Amino acid sequence: GENVEQHPSTLSVQEGDSAVIKCTYSDSASNYFPWYKQELGKRPQLIIDIRSNVGEKKDQRIAVTLNKTAKHFSLHITETQPEDSAVYFCAASLPYSSASKIIFGSGTRLSIRP
Amino acid sequence: DSGVTQTPKHLITATGQRVTLRCSPRSGDLSVYWYQQSLDQGLQFLIQYYNGEERAKGNILERFSAQQFPDLHSELNLSSLELGDSALYFCASSSPGTGPEKLFFGSGTQLSVL
Repeated sequence: GENVEQHPSTLSVQEGDSAVIKCTYSDSASNYFPWYKQELGKRPQLIIDIRSNVGEKKDQRIAVTLNKTAKHFSLHITETQPEDSAVYFCAASLPYSSASKIIFGSGTRLSIRP
Repeated sequence: DSGVTQTPKHLITATGQRVTLRCSPRSGDLSVYWYQQSLDQGLQFLIQYYNGEERAKGNILERFSAQQFPDLHSELNLSSLELGDSALYFCASSSPGTGPEKLFFGSGTQLSVL
């Protein structure tokens, strides 16, 4: 089955700098890659997602890139702010499958230093 | 607010006891998913219900069971509780559409088994 590995497990960056979180997946048939943000004590929330027919997607300070050949995808946060501090989960899913098939990475705890 | 409602927010109980967690999905969503998140761990998929029927099973223990009622709310029953069952339990809902299903999480139930 699908396996998603996420690195690093913890990341600390200076406010205003960029942060990058990387994930790899094992099943080349996966075609949907969402990212969830979970603030301390809160629910996971979908912040951005990408499908395999797209190489990059941006939403303000957040961008996700996908390399299908290498089977890895990354989350990029630019001009980091204190409210970016959270745990970020990447995930992968097979086509035409229910959300029960979404496989999550183990999470990255991002801390923004003032 | 995701529109997914979970109760109670906190639950403290003793080993060997049984508890019931409740979830109401977003209006119009037919699927309900249950996830377990242990301390500093990722999201472990437990079970999915779709329109009252069990659709998919993940790493759910035999001591745990769930159901979805005609009004689409769902309950997760945890019995013979052990210390290791202490975790944050999330419910999520989704609706099938033309694209990948997106998960909308409730705010979770923090279960503490003492």
